[in-house]
Amino acid sequence: SQQGEEDPQALSIQEGENATMNCSYKTSINNLQWYRQNSGRGLVHLILIRSNEREKHSGRLRVTLDTSKKSSSLLITASRAADTASYFCASPGGYNKLIFGAGTRLAVHP
Amino acid sequence: DVKVTQSSRYLVKRTGEKVFLECVQDMDHENMFWYRQDPGLGLRLIYFSYDVKMKEKGDIPEGYSVSREKKERFSLILESASTNQTSMYLCASSPSQEKLFFGSGTQLSVL
Repeated sequence: SQQGEEDPQALSIQEGENATMNCSYKTSINNLQWYRQNSGRGLVHLILIRSNEREKHSGRLRVTLDTSKKSSSLLITASRAADTASYFCASPGGYNKLIFGAGTRLAVHP
Repeated sequence: DVKVTQSSRYLVKRTGEKVFLECVQDMDHENMFWYRQDPGLGLRLIYFSYDVKMKEKGDIPEGYSVSREKKERFSLILESASTNQTSMYLCASSPSQEKLFFGSGTQLSVL
């Protein structure tokens, strides 16, 4: 079962623009994570936000979490062509398990 | 840096063959996972293991089994491969729920 659902499924922007991806989840969580996947490769952990945090920054990444709406967003500022990838949210789904959404495909055009 | 190594990047097998996908991690992590990834479906958990010789079913264990004889190695076994098991298989390891480290994936095609 999918815990997280990302929106939009695909996003196409120009270099320099900001990219915003959203994630909704179903059950109460103690943290939510975002991962990135370059085409045909494994996933890489980007950032984790805990349930008692509303916002977190890491470089050009900004993540928000709204536990009342069971949603999170990932903002990439001043995007670059190298940011082209798929982005997934993931949340705990039981003992030591993470459940992933279907992902957002981001294309950044030079 | 943590390294999770999957034995094959691409694999082509025939229907009915027994298939072994191997995964090795070098960080002494307790937890290891096997996911499959299909377009539009995201990552779905097949099996995971939180200790040597321990295994737990994920969301889609049917048609698969696993083996964890040593802490660093977690194998996924397709007892009799079928065409609907054509997919990208991703192995991951983790010390906790808070960060997974993934291998590069194995693209399996079953003909």
